[in-house]
Amino acid sequence: DTGVSQDPRHKITKRGQNVTFRCDPISEHNRLYWYRQTLGQGPEFLTYFQNEAQLEKSRLLSDRFSAERPKGSFSTLEIQRTEQGDSAMYLCASSRASGETQYFGPGTRLLVL
Amino acid sequence: GENVEQHPSTLSVQEGDSAVIKCTYSDSASNYFPWYKQELGKRPQLIIDIRSNVGEKKDQRIAVTLNKTAKHFSLHITETQPEDSAVYFCAASRDSGYSTLTFGKGTMLLVSP
Repeated sequence: DTGVSQDPRHKITKRGQNVTFRCDPISEHNRLYWYRQTLGQGPEFLTYFQNEAQLEKSRLLSDRFSAERPKGSFSTLEIQRTEQGDSAMYLCASSRASGETQYFGPGTRLLVL
Repeated sequence: GENVEQHPSTLSVQEGDSAVIKCTYSDSASNYFPWYKQELGKRPQLIIDIRSNVGEKKDQRIAVTLNKTAKHFSLHITETQPEDSAVYFCAASRDSGYSTLTFGKGTMLLVSP
């Protein structure tokens, strides 16, 4: 399967713990996006990368959130000191370039107890 | 920023009927409008998209129409089948530079046999 992959698919953690998610985009895709989706809502933009450069961050992305794409390939999203409100599906998407189709990964479902 | 409104939130039809989902957007600079289908527990998948230089696009049983003056676009599914049952999301973005997607809240479509 050459689609977008994410790991882990599910994560249960206790409040206050740190968690890290990984996204592997489709190869040759320069753009990588992170979204958050809660029940009954559409995906909400968090941040995106053009190669290794993080170009935009949403106001939803508090200081506890950090994302990296060190070599312009895979990306990680870390949440520090998790809160119950962080419980959501975290989706990654990639596209070849700006304005082109975004392909989504299967998501990482986070539950903070 | 962009704001996308989507209606209805739920839609129930009989197999073989047509289904129409409508979206409005606020940013007149938006010119790319994709539709995603998300089955329960799965990733959003692109089903059709339209750019602002055309008013309508069809792909078999699916069509999308765009009215840039009124800033609304619609998804039309004809001859619905039970496997069309899913949540459908509309989205909008600018085509270049800042190109993150702003999603609607989704429409749950239920097609009864």
